[in-house]
Order: sequence, then C-alpha cells, then structure tokens
Amino acid sequence: EAQVTQNPRYLITVTGKKLTVTCSQNMNHEYMSWYRQDPGLGLRQIYYSMNVEVTDKGDVPEGYKVSRKEKRNFPLILESPSPNQTSLYFCASSFDGQGRRAFFGQGTRLTVV
Amino acid sequence: AQSVTQLDSQVPVFEEAPVELRCNYSSSVSVYLFWYVQYPNQGLQLLLKYLSGSTLVKGINGFEAEFNKSQTSFHLRKPSVHISDTAEYFCAVSDLRGNFNKFYFGSGTKLNVKP
Repeated sequence: EAQVTQNPRYLITVTGKKLTVTCSQNMNHEYMSWYRQDPGLGLRQIYYSMNVEVTDKGDVPEGYKVSRKEKRNFPLILESPSPNQTSLYFCASSFDGQGRRAFFGQGTRLTVV
Repeated sequence: AQSVTQLDSQVPVFEEAPVELRCNYSSSVSVYLFWYVQYPNQGLQLLLKYLSGSTLVKGINGFEAEFNKSQTSFHLRKPSVHISDTAEYFCAVSDLRGNFNKFYFGSGTKLNVKP
C-alpha cells in the first residue's frame, strides 16, 4: 500500500529541546516536502526536496532543518523548538514536482511548552 | 507567488442540500488545481484535481469542481451533502513555473452538515 508515514503522531516537548519528526515514503518518489498547518492559514511549506541531497527552503523555513540522505526518508529537525512552532505538521511526497500524484502523511501534532 | 483565497471559513448546511465551496487563485499562468479534504484528526485526502482538458472535474464522494480560467476560480460543488461530508476542505494550486513546484493552499473551509 502506497503511504507516507510520519512519527510521532503527537508530541509535547519543552522549549529548546531538540526534536526530530520522521517521514518515510514507500513509493520511490523523488519529491518530498514538509508543511505546517495553522488555523486560518491553511498549509504552508517549510522545506522541500527534489532528490537525495537536494533540499531548499519553502515559505516558512526559520527554525527548521531537514536532510535527505536516502530517497525514502525526509526528517524534519527542530534544533531549539519554541512555542510558536506549536502546530500540525504534514509530510508529503509526490511522483513529480507538480503534485499530480501527491500523498500526505497523517500529520504530527506538536506542542512546545 | 500564488495566493489562494477561500472566502468562506465556515459553511453550515443542512443534510441533502447542495453546497458550493469557493476558491480563487491569484495568477492566470499555467496551474494545476486541487481540492483536498481533511476529516477530524486525519491527514489530507485528495478529492479531485484539474490538470488539463475538460473544465468540469468529477471527484470522489460525489464532489465536482469547475475550472474557470477567466475568473481564476475552482469552486467545489456537491448537489446533496451527507452528514459524513462534515470536514475541512482545502483548495490548492500548483504553479507550473520553475523546476519544482509546490502547493499553495487556501486557508480552508469548514463544512458543517446538520441533520
């Protein structure tokens, strides 16, 4: 079954404690990206990747890092989380760069206190 | 950059009534258009998409949308809604310029279907 898997689904952490949200896809997609969803703002892109070792900033990259060492994995790293990063995060992968066959993960709800 | 406007943040409607969720985007350059649905505590599920061809697109669960290039709109419609359609709906645009394109999402419309 084609899927994008995020872990964890829920996370509560304290300000400044480094964390990683993992994302894995089983469709051999080259394109992957991270979004955050906030009420009234829809989803906004944080980072995206076009292939292994190729990543670039999206609209709201501040405070986040990513890496793409393998095609299937695209972890999101928060080196020093702050309360304004409390949000719902989605990972997505796509067959192409136009999103014609895009799949989204189930989401990770992060709370930073 | 694109901007996507969903004017209605919430739409209450009675069961079996028709519904239209509005979506307008900013640019008339070549785009792909999508509607996604998000049920409570779940991820995004693709309802339908417009890539090319007929401007009337049919999706899952009886939804359809019409692409109007001159009005830069992609409104979502369903002739008769069910309680199970209660969810948040997102319009998204993929701008075809550049080597990699991303989704620009609207702010979402919460559809609340009442019995």
